[in-house]
Amino acid sequence: AQTVTQSQPEMSVQEAETVTLSCTYDTSESDYYLFWYKQPPSRQMILVIRQEAYKQQNATENRFSVNFQKAAKSFSLKISDSQLGDAAMYFCAYGAGSYQLTFGKGTKLSVIP
Amino acid sequence: DTEVTQTPKHLVMGMTNKKSLKCEQHMGHRAMYWYKQKAKKPPELMFVYSYEKLSINESVPSRFSPECPNSSLLNLHLHALQPEDSALYLCASSQGVAGGPSTDTQYFGPGTRLTVL
Repeated sequence: AQTVTQSQPEMSVQEAETVTLSCTYDTSESDYYLFWYKQPPSRQMILVIRQEAYKQQNATENRFSVNFQKAAKSFSLKISDSQLGDAAMYFCAYGAGSYQLTFGKGTKLSVIP
Repeated sequence: DTEVTQTPKHLVMGMTNKKSLKCEQHMGHRAMYWYKQKAKKPPELMFVYSYEKLSINESVPSRFSPECPNSSLLNLHLHALQPEDSALYLCASSQGVAGGPSTDTQYFGPGTRLTVL
């Protein structure tokens, strides 16, 4: 069974600084997708970034980028120039040829003004 | 437009009530999902509809009854709920692929906060 591990339950970052959230996963599949979702206190799960495993290039989306290490089964999220609006719960998720996503337990990110 | 809407935002109901949650999307997506999320936990999948047919039921108790009247609409009918069913209920949709599941991106609605007294 696939598992997703987020080892940092909580993290904090100073406004305008950079922070990296870690995520590791376990799978025997070769073709799969990885996602980072953000859930602010407003509750809505918002897609931050998506990575296809067959793509070598790391996905980026404005201030958000990932470091995808397929051999190490690692998928970390880097947030640059952190803003107050980045404060949220961040979930790493894995999916492979099925409707089901396997979520990690989440990392709560606080942004300090 | 990647919007999924859910109504109501909040719902309080007694254990003998019958109520419904509604979810709507106009992105032309053919897969729709119901999730249950407890505080400080990740979402747990309940049901998946693909092309208006129930594809996945994650052993959810029969007091939860999903319905997909058309490709844009998903309902969750609630009856005789228990206090432990209090949670955030999230709806999501994805493009979907005819003939089988796929891992395309799921877009979530804002959720309905349900409290069962």
